[in-house]
Amino acid sequence: QVHLQQWGAGLLKPSETLSLTCAVYGGSLSGFSWNWIRQPPGKGLQWIGEVTHRGSTIYNPALRSRVTISTDTSKNQFSLRLTSVTAADTAVYYCAKFDLRIYFAPWGQGIPVTVSS
Amino acid sequence: QSALTQPRSVSGSPGQSVTISCTGTSSDVGGYDYVSWYQQYPGKAPKLMIYDVNKRPSGVPDRFSGSKSGNTASLTISGLQADDEADYYCSSYAGPYTRVFGTGTEVTVL
Repeated sequence: QVHLQQWGAGLLKPSETLSLTCAVYGGSLSGFSWNWIRQPPGKGLQWIGEVTHRGSTIYNPALRSRVTISTDTSKNQFSLRLTSVTAADTAVYYCAKFDLRIYFAPWGQGIPVTVSS
Repeated sequence: QSALTQPRSVSGSPGQSVTISCTGTSSDVGGYDYVSWYQQYPGKAPKLMIYDVNKRPSGVPDRFSGSKSGNTASLTISGLQADDEADYYCSSYAGPYTRVFGTGTEVTVL
């Protein structure tokens, strides 16, 4: 049973870089795609981007200029970097596996990130 | 890629049925039979409830069912229970270069 565990800094100042990591347990990165999704306070789910096990990426056009998603196959982990954060980036950030049957499961536990001066 | 449109809230009494709609376009919901639904409790991660429009993962009660007609998908919860009170999100395949979620629906059990 695949399980995702995520971590990273939860409090940032404007203009800093958000950095989160998601570890995959009970399975391999290989053969699947891995996503980052966020949820601003009181709002819905917003897709950030996706990386395949080979390192190919797709990003939300609204965030593309600031986002990098990458994999570390040796550690069975994938990561999110979001540069030049502002208060609008305050959200709970989730990692999730994108199954070959076209759905998101499982999800990580979520990391609340606050951007404040 | 715009978010799929869901009603902000729906409500029902215990034992009743409620249906949540998820409206997209021919480029997402209408173009593929890959609609999924997620249940989210406050402060918790979303949980997969339905995939491939109408398939249930192991462990999801058969009170939850999905369907699709044209550009609109639906999630129906039958025999509504207090434990069903949560937010629900749809998602649809929209091609190889993007992913999209619905706007979310709050289900209230009266």
